[in-house]
Amino acid sequence: DSGVTQTPKHLITATGQRVTLRCSPRSGDLSVYWYQQSLDQGLQFLIQYYNGEERAKGNILERFSAQQFPDLHSELNLSSLELGDSALYFCASSAGTGSYNEQFFGPGTRLTVL
Amino acid sequence: SQQGEEDPQALSIQEGENATMNCSYKTSINNLQWYRQNSGRGLVHLILIRSNEREKHSGRLRVTLDTSKKSSSLLITASRAADTASYFCATDQRSWGKLQFGAGTQVVVTP
Repeated sequence: DSGVTQTPKHLITATGQRVTLRCSPRSGDLSVYWYQQSLDQGLQFLIQYYNGEERAKGNILERFSAQQFPDLHSELNLSSLELGDSALYFCASSAGTGSYNEQFFGPGTRLTVL
Repeated sequence: SQQGEEDPQALSIQEGENATMNCSYKTSINNLQWYRQNSGRGLVHLILIRSNEREKHSGRLRVTLDTSKKSSSLLITASRAADTASYFCATDQRSWGKLQFGAGTQVVVTP
């Protein structure tokens, strides 16, 4: 158990819908990262927050947005869902920023768009 | 796009044997990390090697890094059935911990 929690574990929804994925980092970790894992794209970095501020952006679609709240939990919002958005979405956390800080991954949320 | 490419894509060995997988990457890096993923679950950090290091050990794991060839290898010695997993290399291109993962090597260890 990494100490990172993600809810829900599974999400099944229809095209065009909007969903929110939630992540609680390990106690004391200030950085939160979101990754998407799909069969065709592999593991892709989406976005990073550090202590409430956006720090780095990757291949995140405009339909997707994220935020980190004062209690440091984070939410990833996916809207106007398409079939291709079906994937495993992972959240990771680390104590600081920069990749020398080990990232601890949550169990993921499996999103299925029908 | 993926920075790292692992080779082989899949590897099947028997318990007790060693498993070696390689990772090649395209641009200069700050460090390279290896992660393990068990069947669609979360990733587990295995080891980090900095760009100025050539070799690192952690238990049964040995990682090498050759920055001139832009490649790294992960060796698992005396493999066990519990080592069955996908292994990913991830690189950091001098950014804020924005890791770029390879496609992974799927390792199956049979008793």
